[in-house]
Amino acid sequence: EAGVVQSPRYKIIEKKQPVAFWCNPISGHNTLYWYRQNLGQGPELLIRYENEEAVDDSQLPKDRFSAERLKGVDSTLKIQPAELGDSAVYLCASSFSVVADTQYFGPGTRLTVL
Amino acid sequence: AQSVTQLGSHVSVSEGALVLLRCNYSSSVPPYLFWYVQYPNQGLQLLLKYTTGATLVKGINGFEAEFKKSETSFHLTKPSAHMSDAAEYFCAVSSTGFQKLVFGTGTRLLVSP
Repeated sequence: EAGVVQSPRYKIIEKKQPVAFWCNPISGHNTLYWYRQNLGQGPELLIRYENEEAVDDSQLPKDRFSAERLKGVDSTLKIQPAELGDSAVYLCASSFSVVADTQYFGPGTRLTVL
Repeated sequence: AQSVTQLGSHVSVSEGALVLLRCNYSSSVPPYLFWYVQYPNQGLQLLLKYTTGATLVKGINGFEAEFKKSETSFHLTKPSAHMSDAAEYFCAVSSTGFQKLVFGTGTRLLVSP
């Protein structure tokens, strides 16, 4: 069974530029999560989707971050414009359901903003 | 509010020695507790989890953890370290089942020959 796929794995951009990250969850997983992991820290939840619906986006900085999950499968996380403080690893995770199921993580996208 | 404290950002052991990684949590309701491992340039992989029932939880790769409510702890142990255990370990707590995990800052385990 294929795991959670993320691309790109690495991205380097200048500040004020836009950037997007893509996630393909495990087949059949209805719940999708985006996390941000700063250097030396644990992951912090940005947004959680149940199928197409964003049910918890309280930690998403909505002035510059946006996310979508069209058709309840793949998801894209966007930052526009990027700031120096956005440098981090962005992790995607998925689970079969939110009620009683483990989250499976992808390898992440390491973003460096110069 | 829930939180996790992992004591020691780095732990060094010799191959074959006992591994003990400490985790203390704060939660206003009975928590779900998790240990994840992260190898370099990889995502997090679940080692074990406690939800309800037996307080001693066994996970993959010979790891286990014990939920101690009186001490608000969920320490991770392994009797004998292998070189392949070198990685970053994260403890996480959730007071809402599996929905919203709050992670600790991680402990890097170093294993020397």
